This record gives sequence, structure tokens and C-alpha cells, in this order.
Amino acid sequence: DAGVIQSPRHEVTEMGQEVTLRCKPISGHNSLFWYRQTMMRGLELLIYFNNNVPIDDSGMPEDRFSAKMPNASFSTLKIQPSEPRDSAVYFCASTSGTGADTQYFGPGTRLTVL
Amino acid sequence: QKEVEQDPGPLSVPEGAIVSLNCTYSNSAFQYFMWYRQYSRKGPELLMYTYSSGNKEDGRFTAQVDKSSKYISLFIRDSQPSDSATYLCAMSGSGGYQKVTFGTGTKLQVIP
Repeated sequence: DAGVIQSPRHEVTEMGQEVTLRCKPISGHNSLFWYRQTMMRGLELLIYFNNNVPIDDSGMPEDRFSAKMPNASFSTLKIQPSEPRDSAVYFCASTSGTGADTQYFGPGTRLTVL
Repeated sequence: QKEVEQDPGPLSVPEGAIVSLNCTYSNSAFQYFMWYRQYSRKGPELLMYTYSSGNKEDGRFTAQVDKSSKYISLFIRDSQPSDSATYLCAMSGSGGYQKVTFGTGTKLQVIP
């Protein structure tokens, strides 16, 4: 089992540019989560998909952030336009149940916005 | 006030010591309590999982939940250098989908 796969692992971009983060969940998992981790705020849920449908997007900071899950094996998180305060590590996690069940995290994407 | 409070550390202990990691929370609806371990530059991984109050033991690790005090703990016995990581507490309510709320993590260093 390859686990949750995220790409890119590192992204450095300039303010105002579009950023797209990608995630491939574990095969057979029907729930997918996007998190953002910073030193100050810790790990924060951005959006939760169940069976490819967004269920909870209350954590999405603002309209600059959008997420899609076109099929069970792929999801994207897009930031447009990016700002320096978006610099963080973004994690994707998947599970076969709901939030309280074991979540399997990917290695994360370290985003730096200059 | 944050729903979940966790001392960020860092906590530095000698190898073989007993480590105590703690979190407090304010939401009385939390029923599931978890501890995740996160190594540097890696994603978190589930370490311990308990439901409601009580203790749970798994090898050198013991998780305790005291719902009356809204306080959870993770004890590590005979700590090893390989235990050096950041430990995140996490909790959620029960029934259908419930968002998991994470603490900010405590960084632990076990010195050989």
C-alpha cells in the first residue's frame, strides 16, 4: 500500500500566483480531508469530502481557496491568488470511515509564498 | 480560548524516563480522544485511540481520559530516542460526521 500521496512536496511561489496541491487517497477510502498546519494555529481542517462530495468546508479561509474531488482517487486544493500568510504545510488525509476513525495522512506539501 | 489546549514544549528527557503529555479541552461533547505522533517533516500518524473516559494501554504507551476534568494524558514508559517527535492530541464528538479538533502539539526530545 503506497499510502496517501501528495504532490508537490515543496512549492515556492510568489504572491499573486496560483497554487495547486494534489492528493491521491488510499484506495478504498471514502473520506478525504485537507488540513493546514502552522506553528501558531496547529493543524486546522480546511475541507472534508465523503464519497467525493464536499461535506464540511467551514474551515476554508476565504474565496481564494477552492477544493475539488472529481473522483475517488484524486483531489486538488487550489489557492488563487496566493498570499504570504498562506505559507504553511498542507496535509491530505483519508479514512474508510468518518472523522473520528483513523485518518491516514500524506507527507504534506510545504508551501512558501514570497 | 481554544477548544483544545496543549503545551507546545519542547520537552527534553533522558532515555528511559517516563514522559507525561497532556491536553485540556472545553467542549463537553467530545467523546473520542486520540493521540497522533508526528516525526519531523512527516504527516501525523495515529498512536492511541480511546472512547469516553478511562485508560488504554498499548505497550509502553498509556492513554488516560478524565472527562470530568476535561483532561487527557499520554504516558510513555521507558522512553527511547525513537520516541522523539511531536505529539498531537485530537478529539471529536460522536454520531455521524464529527470534525476532529487537534491540539497544537508537544515536541518531545529523548536524549540518549
